[in-house]
Formats: sequence, C-alpha cells, structure tokens
Amino acid sequence: DTAVSQTPKYLVTQMGNDKSIKCEQNLGHDTMYWYKQDSKKFLKIMFSYNNKELIINETVPNRFSPKSPDKAHLNLHINSLELGDSAVYFCASSQESGGYTFGSGTRLTVV
Amino acid sequence: GIQVEQSPPDLILQEGANSTLRCNFSDSVNNLQWFHQNPWGQLINLFYIPSGTKQNGRLSATTVATERYSLLYISSSQTTDSGVYFCAVDRSSGNTGKLIFGQGTTLQVKP
Repeated sequence: DTAVSQTPKYLVTQMGNDKSIKCEQNLGHDTMYWYKQDSKKFLKIMFSYNNKELIINETVPNRFSPKSPDKAHLNLHINSLELGDSAVYFCASSQESGGYTFGSGTRLTVV
Repeated sequence: GIQVEQSPPDLILQEGANSTLRCNFSDSVNNLQWFHQNPWGQLINLFYIPSGTKQNGRLSATTVATERYSLLYISSSQTTDSGVYFCAVDRSSGNTGKLIFGQGTTLQVKP
C-alpha cells in the first residue's frame, strides 16, 4: 500500500548512458514532482506536473526529460549521464491541502 | 526567492533528552512542513503546519506565521529519532507549487 513508489531504488551506470526512473502514486493527488538531493543533503525541486501538464521546470539541463502518461505517474528519463548527475532523486505528490508525500528515493551513481 | 534557515545545523543528544529545532523563513508562506530523513534515506512527513500547533506522540510543532518561524520539539528522544530534520515551505496557494527546503538539522541521539 505504498503511497508514492519509485523504481529502481539503486541505479549504478556508466557515463554517457541513458536511464529512466519510474514513479507512481496511489493517493489521488493531482500534482507530482521530482526533487534532487545532492551530496550535502540539499533538496531542490526539478520539475512539477499538475494533471499531466508541466508547470515547473527549474532550469534543469534538457538531458532530463520528465514524462507523465497520467496523473498517477511521473517518470524521469536522463540522457547522456554525467558524473555530476550522481545524487538521490525523490518523487513526490501533493494535493491542495495536507502537504506533500515523498517516495523513498532512487540513489543514482554514475561511474 | 524565499530563504529557509534551520538551526542548529547539528545536534547531539543523550537518549531521553528534549530538544527544539528552529526554522526561520524570509517571506509569508501558505505551507510549511517538517520532514525526518532517517538513516536509510527515507523522507517522512512529520507535520503539515502552516500555522498553529500540532502534536504527534513525542513530537510537536508550532508555526508562528506572522513572525516567520516554526519550531519542532522532540521530547524524551530515542536513538530512532536520529537523522536529518528538514523544514520546507511553499508560497503558492493550494500547495501545488514548489517546496523550498532548509539545509536541515542533523540529529544524533546516543544511547
């Protein structure tokens, strides 16, 4: 009964590869997000989608492309991975009252 | 943009002690949340508290929106309370904007 679930939990890949992270929420929320947590634990928003439409893009390199097939899913595709992309990526969802719920994170390591 | 500052940055407690974590924010907000990131990396929503006071077991939180700060109280701390505590705010109406995170307070509770 996980509210926001992400897969995979860990991802180790070589520079230059393309990878995807999947996210699904069963809370009925209209808005979903991707956040990045860097090595210093700082959390910053990357994208948000409301009912499948992109509403926030925080100057993320265009190698990162979110895709929302429906309001319960928000996937993140990353092209040409670089060493600096290594981080923990969190998916989240929210509703108009009650706050945000985060997934358990995907630890991406680029070697 | 809005600034979120948390204090102290680090805190070491003996099991059973009480503590207060503070979050200051630089502008009015419509949402404020406290999260606990446990040693396994999971971000757990503790409180959704744009104003007022809430309690959940040994934890309580108070937000004074007019003075732009929030406090998280931990009483009778346990080793399982260890981790990083984040305060995050959202200025948008409807809580579907973006959460701006503070840099966190790292808490270590020693047995």
